[in-house]
Amino acid sequence: ETGVTQTPRHLVMGMTNKKSLKCEQHLGHNAMYWYKQSAKKPLELMFVYSLEERVENNSVPSRFSPECPNSSHLFLHLHTLQPEDSALYLCASSPVRGASYGYTFGSGTRLTVV
Amino acid sequence: AQKITQTQPGMFVQEKEAVTLDCTYDTSDQSYGLFWYKQPSSGEMIFLIYQGSYDEQNATEGRYSLNFQKARKSANLVISASQLGDSAMYFCATYTGTASKLTFGTGTRLQVTL
Repeated sequence: ETGVTQTPRHLVMGMTNKKSLKCEQHLGHNAMYWYKQSAKKPLELMFVYSLEERVENNSVPSRFSPECPNSSHLFLHLHTLQPEDSALYLCASSPVRGASYGYTFGSGTRLTVV
Repeated sequence: AQKITQTQPGMFVQEKEAVTLDCTYDTSDQSYGLFWYKQPSSGEMIFLIYQGSYDEQNATEGRYSLNFQKARKSANLVISASQLGDSAMYFCATYTGTASKLTFGTGTRLQVTL
């Protein structure tokens, strides 16, 4: 399997639920990213991992908790979300952090918080 | 902070015609990269074309070309001979050493008609 794979593709969760988004890449990349895409807004970078270490957290609320157990896998753990957190969550990877090219994106998880 | 402006929320073009999608950017960096991505309804961000700030020639990739006007900080995407499969959201993005990340615009929805 190649590219960046995200699961699940769609997720509906209540505000009191706990769920996790998964991202997997088989490209040998060392950097991975979580982006949030809301309607009519630019993509917002949430977290950056480089060699499994979190190197950037862009003021994301603590109800979003990332985890990178190895360079191929990235998770986003969700708990007590709000309806405004409904969005498309995109995972991406690049060969190294700081690479200006080579970003590969997954197809995203469409999250709806009810 | 980097800023990308895409002033066309939606565009229509007839099949086989050419279309230009506008993008202006704001950066104080001298060295930067400009990107265009396509996002079909499936959600995946697909890389289309790249232009470096020091590249003297406009980038081309098949039916895609980037009209780079550095002094005007403009990086318009030109799609020639539009096809029905070109219907999607199109995002302009920049990468600078200062930001060390891709910064996206709000996107343009292109609809190709018969």
